[in-house]
Amino acid sequence: LAKTTQPISMDSYEGQEVNITCSHNNIATNDYITWYQQFPSQGPRFIIQGYKTKVTNEVASLFIPADRKSSTLSLPRVSLSDTAVYYCLVGESYGGSQGNLIFGKGTKLSVKP
Amino acid sequence: DTAVSQTPKYLVTQMGNDKSIKCEQNLGHDTMYWYKQDSKKFLKIMFSYNNKELIINETVPNRFSPKSPDKAHLNLHINSLELGDSAVYFCASSHLNYEQYFGPGTRLTVT
Repeated sequence: LAKTTQPISMDSYEGQEVNITCSHNNIATNDYITWYQQFPSQGPRFIIQGYKTKVTNEVASLFIPADRKSSTLSLPRVSLSDTAVYYCLVGESYGGSQGNLIFGKGTKLSVKP
Repeated sequence: DTAVSQTPKYLVTQMGNDKSIKCEQNLGHDTMYWYKQDSKKFLKIMFSYNNKELIINETVPNRFSPKSPDKAHLNLHINSLELGDSAVYFCASSHLNYEQYFGPGTRLTVT
């Protein structure tokens, strides 16, 4: 199983760039890497997904090195509203073992003014 | 316009009872999921299901059973509720392994 490891918590200030790294040493060939954001009392919300190299969308970037054993979620210029828990998920496309759909324990990001 | 909805939002019940949580998605997705988030906020997948296959996390007790009357619904039935079942249960849906859309959650409290 592709187990993931993330920092438990991170602190930042408004306007800074935040990088959260997830380790997944046992990632399989067919696994994708997906990040979710969760606010208190809400369900997780998709942020970004990638397979290798770099992916960028309107809210974040995802950096994946060649060996794919880790990935880094980059949030540019965070604001107070980015305070949330961020989960790294590693799992293969449907049809494979569902047991690979494993969320990390999440990183609690606190953004201060 | 809610993409993934769950009912009820809160559920308080006694040990030994049987209860159900309903989930509906209007996104046309082919895969639906149930997750359990415990007091430590650890999010664990319980089931994933499409119209072809139900995949069960082997750690889930057989007191839990998903039932899908159609592609847009995946309900969760829980028999003989135990104190340890208290948690927030999230339903989600996706197309294949693309982004999952989560419901608002159902907070289950077993007394």
